Amino acid sequence: EPEVTQTPSHQVTQMGQEVILRCVPISNHLYFYWYRQILGQKVEFLVSFYNNEISEKSEIFDDQFSVERPDGSNFTLKIRSTKLEDSAMYFCASSVRGMVQYFGAGTRLSVL
Amino acid sequence: GESVGLHLPTLSVQEGDNSIINCAYSNSASDYFIWYKQESGKGPQFIIDIRSNMDKRQGQRVTVLLNKTVKHLSLQIAATQPGDSAVYFCAENSLGGGTSYGKLTFGQGTILTVHP
Repeated sequence: EPEVTQTPSHQVTQMGQEVILRCVPISNHLYFYWYRQILGQKVEFLVSFYNNEISEKSEIFDDQFSVERPDGSNFTLKIRSTKLEDSAMYFCASSVRGMVQYFGAGTRLSVL
Repeated sequence: GESVGLHLPTLSVQEGDNSIINCAYSNSASDYFIWYKQESGKGPQFIIDIRSNMDKRQGQRVTVLLNKTVKHLSLQIAATQPGDSAVYFCAENSLGGGTSYGKLTFGQGTILTVHP
């Protein structure tokens, strides 16, 4: 069964460093998303991406965040200068038509 | 503001019982709802969805009920099994006139524990 894959599963970084979280969405999907989940809290929307551009973003997704689809298969989330409060699980999701979204297993980001 | 929340943060049931997980939402423009299951260390797993033009939808062992009048959503799991133990999230979207690209607003989650 096709699935969304994310790498790495765990990323440890120093505050102020740049990180790139990687995702391979399901191959025939057209809509791509990033969400995050701080430990013990609900899943929060960060950004949606369609037709090679950001279609919607939340207040969390500030200038420190960016997304890219560098080729036909990868979808990345970059945080330019990480802060302690960026520590969370980051989930990538993809969807065929913007309805049912299928999530990856997530990347745990730990900012020290 | 917009929010999706759950009435019960934890639910414990015996194997074989039926489980009911509830969810309230506040955005009257919400017209699409999804239930996800999240097991420890994994991402949310799609269970079932429902659009606002329906009030009930059934899947395999699961039923989702939607009451738009009181903005309430529930997930019923029949013959609950230990493998159903997980956190369950409801999520909503406002598809509207097709301008939404799928931003999901999640509830806090309910922890379901199934005892053998």
